[in-house]
Amino acid sequence: DTGVSQDPRHKITKRGQNVTFRCDPISEHNRLYWYRQTLGQGPEFLTYFQNEAQLEKSRLLSDRFSAERPKGSFSTLEIQRTEQGDSAMYLCASSFSRQEKETQYFGPGTRLLVL
Amino acid sequence: GNSVTQMEGPVTLSEEAFLTINCTYTATGYPSLFWYVQYPGEGLQLLLKATKADDKGSNKGFEATYRKETTSFHLEKGSVQVSDSAVYFCALSDRNYGGATNKLIFGTGTLLAVQP
Repeated sequence: DTGVSQDPRHKITKRGQNVTFRCDPISEHNRLYWYRQTLGQGPEFLTYFQNEAQLEKSRLLSDRFSAERPKGSFSTLEIQRTEQGDSAMYLCASSFSRQEKETQYFGPGTRLLVL
Repeated sequence: GNSVTQMEGPVTLSEEAFLTINCTYTATGYPSLFWYVQYPGEGLQLLLKATKADDKGSNKGFEATYRKETTSFHLEKGSVQVSDSAVYFCALSDRNYGGATNKLIFGTGTLLAVQP
């Protein structure tokens, strides 16, 4: 078990460009979460999948953000027309819903800098 | 809505000192409570958790007790080490239907610096 992995680890882009991040959860985990963390703050929830279904989206997730989880395995988070305010660490976590005491396991994150 | 408030840092201690990081929460229902730790340059790791009132979570010498009457989940350690230097996050789970936990709501984090 290699844990949750995210790619890339770092991304620098210019304002207005599109970016896409990937998350590979722990293999048997059916739930996948995306969070955003800005400097000096705790992570904030963005969206959540159970298998391939996106069950909840935060109001933080504007229409420039889209997330997918085809076939209930890896997930992608795309940001269109990036803005400087999108600069943050994007975290992915996974869990297994049938676990009696569900625990979310986090990946290392993707740090985005929008110039 | 649900929220978590934790003490601001940084907290600076000498090695072998006693540690307390306060955490209080506001929630409807019966959330699970967590402490996550983020070591320099690493991702978030679960430190301990408690799923119901009066439960005590413990790990690596750290412990926290779920206090419903005071809506608190304070983190304590009797003797800190330099290697405990990290950012500590208190969090609660926002339960959905069926009692299963889903999204986590985090506090702002507390930086702990332990000096030799």
